[in-house]
Amino acid sequence: GAVVSQHPSRVICKSGTSVKIECRSLDFQATTMFWYRQFPKQSLMLMATSNEGSKATYEQGVEKDKFLINHASLTLSTLTVTSAHPEDSSFYICSASRPSGDYNEQFFGPGTRLTVL
Amino acid sequence: DAKTTQPPSMDCAEGRAANLPCNHSTISGNEYVYWYRQIHSQGPQYIIHGLKNNETNEMASLIITEDRKSSTLILPHATLRDTAVYYCIVRVARKGVIKAAGNKLTFGGGTRVLVKP
Repeated sequence: GAVVSQHPSRVICKSGTSVKIECRSLDFQATTMFWYRQFPKQSLMLMATSNEGSKATYEQGVEKDKFLINHASLTLSTLTVTSAHPEDSSFYICSASRPSGDYNEQFFGPGTRLTVL
Repeated sequence: DAKTTQPPSMDCAEGRAANLPCNHSTISGNEYVYWYRQIHSQGPQYIIHGLKNNETNEMASLIITEDRKSSTLILPHATLRDTAVYYCIVRVARKGVIKAAGNKLTFGGGTRVLVKP
């Protein structure tokens, strides 16, 4: 099966610093990658969609200057939380998509828990 | 994509079948029904999907009503490891077209399933 990894799995940082989270598709080339955020006891909320080599598409209400997404290759996307604040503490999950028949399969990473002090 | 409605929670006994309902009364003819689950502090895991016919795999069975306005996910013999939040998602398939918008998965509240010994 397709495997998606995230690094780091958990990170603690001080308020005002930036944090980079990596998402990799290990055994397939992902046409599209997605970034989600999940607060405790809540569902996943899509933050942005990125295609390799092009600018990410952000969902309404997500600040593109705060959550920088780089999709440099078909196997790697990064999310950088700039000038992080305690309210950015959350579980960040990426997914990677590949075509399969008449639809696009989507595989999820294990998530990254960010805690901003 | 059509919206789905699921009960917020349900309990089931270990070893018994768990039947998880989902309503998707506004589903369109070209929309698939997908089921994912999320075990605590992990990324979502794909379970099964279907269009019209009932589907079965090693994890579960999916029963879709004839009018396609509702479906039921069946875990035939629930184990403690099946304790998770189960999400029913309706999504359009994009045949031959790799477009980010067609890949989007919109997560609702899901059903929190607790399997008890």
